[in-house]
Amino acid sequence: EVQLVESGGGLVEPGGSLRLSCVASGFTFSDYSLTWVRQPPGKGLEWVASITHNSAHKFYADSVKGRFTISKDSAEKSLILQMNSLRGEDTAVYYCARARGNSWFSDSWGQGTLVTVSS
Amino acid sequence: QSALTQPPSASGSPGQSVTISCTGTSSDVGGYNYVSWYQHHPGKAPKLMIYDVNERPSGVPDRFSGSKSGNTASLTVSGLQAEDEADYYCSSYAGDNNLAVFGGGTKLTVL
Repeated sequence: EVQLVESGGGLVEPGGSLRLSCVASGFTFSDYSLTWVRQPPGKGLEWVASITHNSAHKFYADSVKGRFTISKDSAEKSLILQMNSLRGEDTAVYYCARARGNSWFSDSWGQGTLVTVSS
Repeated sequence: QSALTQPPSASGSPGQSVTISCTGTSSDVGGYNYVSWYQHHPGKAPKLMIYDVNERPSGVPDRFSGSKSGNTASLTVSGLQAEDEADYYCSSYAGDNNLAVFGGGTKLTVL
């Protein structure tokens, strides 16, 4: 069974940093691309960043480009999202998901971790 | 404002059919056959229901179907059941600079 478990969320002040992790199990980690998607309170889903299976290519939404970094830790079978220069509008539940195909749809999702940016 | 436009709400009685629309542009929905739909019960992990416009993952009931015409994609839920009540989001590939654009979500209520 595919499982994705996020952690690392919490309360951080504007301008601060946070590191999210997503531990994967139930599939061959190195074979799959992965994605972060977020949901601000009361709002819809928003794509944040994606990384190819071999980490050769990384893609970012304009809203986080230059501030967030996505990476894969194959030894730990973890997807990482390093978030710097955080803003209030980054407040959201952050989901990691396994990506598939040329269309980058997400076929399995974690339960999410809440990030709150506030002073 | 979301990139794709969905109606905020939809409803139907048990056993009925309901269709949710998702309107984009020629740069996303209309430009690729890469539309996906997700079911989201608040507090739970989103679930993939449809991918590549009309493909259904294993385990998803065939009551769920997808289609596309021009810049508008649609999700149809037939034979509505109480457990179908959830938020539904469409998403489309929009090129390497925008791998996934989402709709604002539609809250489906089973009356």
